[in-house]
Amino acid sequence: GESVGLHLPTLSVQEGDNSIINCAYSNSASDYFIWYKQESGKGPQFIIDIRSNMDKRQGQRVTVLLNKTVKHLSLQIAATQPGDSAVYFCAENSGGSNYKLTFGKGTLLTVNP
Amino acid sequence: DSGVTQTPKHLITATGQRVTLRCSPRSGDLSVYWYQQSLDQGLQFLIQYYNGEERAKGNILERFSAQQFPDLHSELNLSSLELGDSALYFCASSVGGGPLWQEQFFGPGTRLTVL
Repeated sequence: GESVGLHLPTLSVQEGDNSIINCAYSNSASDYFIWYKQESGKGPQFIIDIRSNMDKRQGQRVTVLLNKTVKHLSLQIAATQPGDSAVYFCAENSGGSNYKLTFGKGTLLTVNP
Repeated sequence: DSGVTQTPKHLITATGQRVTLRCSPRSGDLSVYWYQQSLDQGLQFLIQYYNGEERAKGNILERFSAQQFPDLHSELNLSSLELGDSALYFCASSVGGGPLWQEQFFGPGTRLTVL
């Protein structure tokens, strides 16, 4: 597994700026990808998902981009707010109809007011 | 509040002991998933139950076992505990169990400390 915790990649942004969090996934057969947000002391919370037959999906203030050629996933957060401060994880499902979810290394996003 | 409840919030025990973690899914959800989150391994999927039956298995050790009861609550049993089992254990639930993806709702977690 990958390491999280004390050596998390970090991203610090100013309130109102856009944030981009990147994730490299490992399995070219993965067909479903999810971004989770985890605030301190809480469980992960679903943000947005994307299937492998898409390259972009938009939600409220968030956009996920998928580049299968280089196995790269990104999460864009528009007009970042202090409440967006959290650890963000990407996850890939490589099991098809059988559940096999692998989480990537989290990124700590800090939003400065 | 996700609607998923987990007890206890914190658990401190000694090596070699056995503990049971409990999870109640959201009302109406049939699937329960267990995850382990540790500093060195990150977030890892352990096991999934759907309507009382094991549906998928991840990186679950043989010392660990789980079950889902008729009322759909689930228990994760951890035995012969080692220092390395210290972690946050999350339960999540979803309406269905596959094959199409189901959004999962996570509980607040149980923090296990093995001394």
